[in-house]
This record gives sequence, structure tokens and C-alpha cells, in this order.
Amino acid sequence: QQQVKQSPQSLIVQKGGISIINCAYENTAFDYFPWYQQFPGKGPALLIAIRPDVSEKKEGRFTISFNKSAKQFSLHIMDSQPGDSATYFCAARGRGSQGNLIFGKGTKLSVKP
Amino acid sequence: NAGVMQNPRHLVRRRGQEARLRCSPMKGHSHVYWYRQLPEEGLKFMVYLQKENIIDESGMPKERFSAEFPKEGPSILRIQQVVRGDSAAYFCASSPSMVSSYNEQFFGPGTRLTVL
Repeated sequence: QQQVKQSPQSLIVQKGGISIINCAYENTAFDYFPWYQQFPGKGPALLIAIRPDVSEKKEGRFTISFNKSAKQFSLHIMDSQPGDSATYFCAARGRGSQGNLIFGKGTKLSVKP
Repeated sequence: NAGVMQNPRHLVRRRGQEARLRCSPMKGHSHVYWYRQLPEEGLKFMVYLQKENIIDESGMPKERFSAEFPKEGPSILRIQQVVRGDSAAYFCASSPSMVSSYNEQFFGPGTRLTVL
């Protein structure tokens, strides 16, 4: 059973455009939602994270929007650049859990110049 | 401050051999997590360890897989009698503590295991 569903699987955006990646979760015990960026041959790197007590968090060109009632959260990349081309993973971790993250299947983003 | 280190970066084994993957957490980190990533898939949790203790191994296959994090030295993920289905990227992550569930996990570059 997939606990974090991510879409789309792949995304092509023009340089300067907005990239939007969506995730939905089922377990209401989740209370930490990070996004990771992964380049080919590299390990995932934390991009931005949010807790469910806020509806939005912005860091530079990256924004997480969080809808607790719908159990959905999304990553917005403003002014997308070719250097943003990577695979993005959303994840979730449960309150009081032993700390392991549950990942979505990833979105491969390509930003065309 | 060096990041999480994993070695080897690439490992080729024949079916039936043993694979040993090593992970050195970031300095000051005492918690280690192992994840497996199959091609075109997200990361799947395998095991969570603290020094000399396995805290959660709910994601670890029941047979052939084991993990340890000794008092001295790196964490080791061991796969005995490898099969082709074990071919994947194995990532290690570390975090400083579990005082808060919001502590970031820092990932290493991974070990890519290929079973021939």
C-alpha cells in the first residue's frame, strides 16, 4: 500500500516557467513533509520541508503549499531553470515514529532552455 | 565537515556472493538509516540503527539481509547470497538525534549494487 502518492511522474517546463509537483498522503499521523532533490548518480538532498501547522512555506524560488484537510501538499518551483532539472521526491514521517521517511515515487523534471 | 560517506560507490557481485555496504555518518550523528531505491522508484526504508542497536528493521527482508552499527566504525549493510533482484541503489542517511521528529536526514551518495 503506497502511503504517499506523487504526480506527475515526469514534467517538462520551459525556462522561466512554474513547475508544480503534487503529493497526497493517507496517514493522518504524518506530521513532517520534506521534499528532496536528486541529481543522477547522487543521493537525495533536502530541498524544503513543512509541518502541518502552516499552510505555506517559501524558500527562495521553492514553495510548499500544504492542505491538511485534503491531505495534500505540493512543491512549486518559480522561474524554473535548466539547473533545476532533477528528480524530486516528496516524503512524510509520522509523529512519534522511529524516524524513517516514506517517499513518493518521484517526479522527473526537465526544464528546457 | 564531511557529509555522509558510503563505500563502495559501485559494487558488482555474482549471484550467490555476499555484498557488504558501508556507511559513515556525518560527524556528531548517531542515527543511521538505510534505504533502497529500485530503478524509476522512490526510496524504500529498510532499517534504522543507533550505535550498537537496531531500532527499527521493519523494512528489511527477513532473509539474507542484516545491518549493524558498531560502537566503533561504519554501519554495515550485509546481503548474503545475492540474487538479481537485489540490484539497486542503496542509500544511507544520518541524523543527529531523535529529540525531535523533525531532524533532517542527510543522505550519502549511495552504493549501486549490480548482481550478475
